Amino acid sequence: DAKTTQPPSMDCAEGRAANLPCNHSTISGNEYVYWYRQIHSQGPQYIIHGLKNNETNEMASLIITEDRKSSTLILPHATLRDTAVYYCIVRVPSGGSNYKLTFGKGTLLTVNP
Amino acid sequence: GAGVSQSPSNKVTEKGKDVELRCDPISGHTALYWYRQSLGQGLEFLIYFQGNSAPDKSGLPSDRFSAERTGGSVSTLTIQRTQQEDSAVYLCASSFLGPNTEAFFGQGTRLTVV
Repeated sequence: DAKTTQPPSMDCAEGRAANLPCNHSTISGNEYVYWYRQIHSQGPQYIIHGLKNNETNEMASLIITEDRKSSTLILPHATLRDTAVYYCIVRVPSGGSNYKLTFGKGTLLTVNP
Repeated sequence: GAGVSQSPSNKVTEKGKDVELRCDPISGHTALYWYRQSLGQGLEFLIYFQGNSAPDKSGLPSDRFSAERTGGSVSTLTIQRTQQEDSAVYLCASSFLGPNTEAFFGQGTRLTVV
């Protein structure tokens, strides 16, 4: 079972920031939060991940609350090409070096012109 | 290669036939994962490889499904006696070991069983 809860859908205006929330209240201290997105008919694309500090890369920023029970993915200037399903994943150990990604239903972000 | 490569990109097969799906991971990635995504559904974990061994096969839906990995690189997912419910996109991902490593996905193989 996925350890995360996300809203099923969100809308955002083109050029504005998209803020996608994720709750992961049962996260353990050494478990990372990952974000992927899947554009229709394509394989999931890695966006960003973090443990407890905020992270930023060329695609997005990840803000993790101090208690680590929730996080927000920020796309600073959304474009129409950012329309996709966004998955927030807590990467849990599954035995040995197995850290499989367990995907939930994600958030369908629709960027409108 | 630059990314995870899967072949074929599309496969149409008749019910009852066997199919083989191939995954070429990113060079040097020890971990390899197979997932399945049925139409309109989320990603379903199938199997995990660490090197050539598969310590986690918990997601394989039946004994018609098997996978192997050779040389710590290429992996093949085999489905025997295909059924219509096997129709889905089969996705492969690879990464270095550990929780702090990005897993990269291929574009998948779309399997249609007719």
